[in-house]
Amino acid sequence: GAVVSQHPSRVICKSGTSVKIECRSLDFQATTMFWYRQFPKKSLMLMATSNEGSKATYEQGVEKDKFLINHASLTLSTLTVTSAHPEDSSFYICSVEGPGSYEQYFGPGTRLTVT
Amino acid sequence: GQNIDQPTEMTATEGAIVQINCTYQTSGFNGLFWYQQHAGEAPTFLSYNVLDGLEEKGRFSSFLSRSKGYSYLLLKELQMKDSASYLCAVSSNDYKLSFGAGTTVTVRA
Repeated sequence: GAVVSQHPSRVICKSGTSVKIECRSLDFQATTMFWYRQFPKKSLMLMATSNEGSKATYEQGVEKDKFLINHASLTLSTLTVTSAHPEDSSFYICSVEGPGSYEQYFGPGTRLTVT
Repeated sequence: GQNIDQPTEMTATEGAIVQINCTYQTSGFNGLFWYQQHAGEAPTFLSYNVLDGLEEKGRFSSFLSRSKGYSYLLLKELQMKDSASYLCAVSSNDYKLSFGAGTTVTVRA
């Protein structure tokens, strides 16, 4: 069965609004989760590392005030895209670091379209 | 920085074999992963190599040479459902994954 879930799977929002995406670890507690973004026909780009109980670590070039990450519990991380613009339209995928540290389990992804 | 290269596209016939190469230059190495991704879906795990050599798992095999910074994924007895993008990813010192751009494999009847 699924190890990681994401909600919603698809969302369409208007420019200027905010969108929250949830990532849940279903099978085990996850201290660390990762958020990726994937543009069409491109590879996954790591946006940030979400750490339970502490601030997220953002990759270079990713605006932390625009992409708010909250890892409130050991099974839930949320990514909020604030003041969304059409260029934020993308496929957002989270992953959960497995017990073996080297493993990552990916969620099914969230397709965001900003109009 | 991380640099991971793989071919953009490959085409093969049903029942044939295809080999997808991946070369990498990364800061630190904690293993190399291959993932399969169908359009609009999340990647699914195929293989993990951390030591040199060949790992075989059914129709899929993966090879690693750490000294050469090289890996390949071998797909045997290709089926139509194998048409997908195959992503090479390297885990660096901090266990973060860096992905290649992916190789789109098209299987033709």
